[in-house]
Amino acid sequence: EDQVTQSPEALRLQEGESSSLNCSYTVSGLRGLFWYRQDPGKGPEFLFTLYSAGEEKEKERLKATLTKKESFLHITAPKPEDSATYLCAVQAADSGYALNFGKGTSLLVTP
Amino acid sequence: DGGITQSPKYLFRKEGQNVTLSCEQNLNHDAMYWYRQDPGQGLRLIYYSQIVNDFQKGDIAEGYSVSREKKESFPLTVTSAQKNPTAFYLCASNLHNQPQHFGDGTRLSIL
Repeated sequence: EDQVTQSPEALRLQEGESSSLNCSYTVSGLRGLFWYRQDPGKGPEFLFTLYSAGEEKEKERLKATLTKKESFLHITAPKPEDSATYLCAVQAADSGYALNFGKGTSLLVTP
Repeated sequence: DGGITQSPKYLFRKEGQNVTLSCEQNLNHDAMYWYRQDPGQGLRLIYYSQIVNDFQKGDIAEGYSVSREKKESFPLTVTSAQKNPTAFYLCASNLHNQPQHFGDGTRLSIL
């Protein structure tokens, strides 16, 4: 059975304190791994897609990396506006177009 | 502006009542999806549709129904058979092999 586990569940950082969020997955053939950001009361906002081990994508203070078993979302020198819940989802090769989501990591960045 | 519009933002259901959540997109996307989000849980797939007049059950379809009569629209009906309907409902859409993009959700509560 495909599984997606995100850790930690919650993370509190001081402004400027870099850290990483983890997404571990088990899937029978990965078609793609997706990172989303979700603000309270809003829908998820797409950040990155990663397709193969070794791939990296960057956007402002965020950098996503992928291995065969996990993905990391690195946050460099975060700002309070980076506070949100970050969701990881995988798409299996045999799942059609359905995404399997993790429970998310709630990030709070304090000034 | 192109996007996904969900309405209403808040909805209340009485016992024994069916309610319908609207999802409209003007992105010319082929596929549309409905997810349910509960506190502390990942997004769970209810139904999805890859083309007009065709749709498939997701992981938690019981107590829900959908239709896809137009490419732009994918309404979700929460029937009285769904005994625990209180949740945040999210609609998404995409072109094949592209990331899913989400609306801003409908929060459904029981009166």
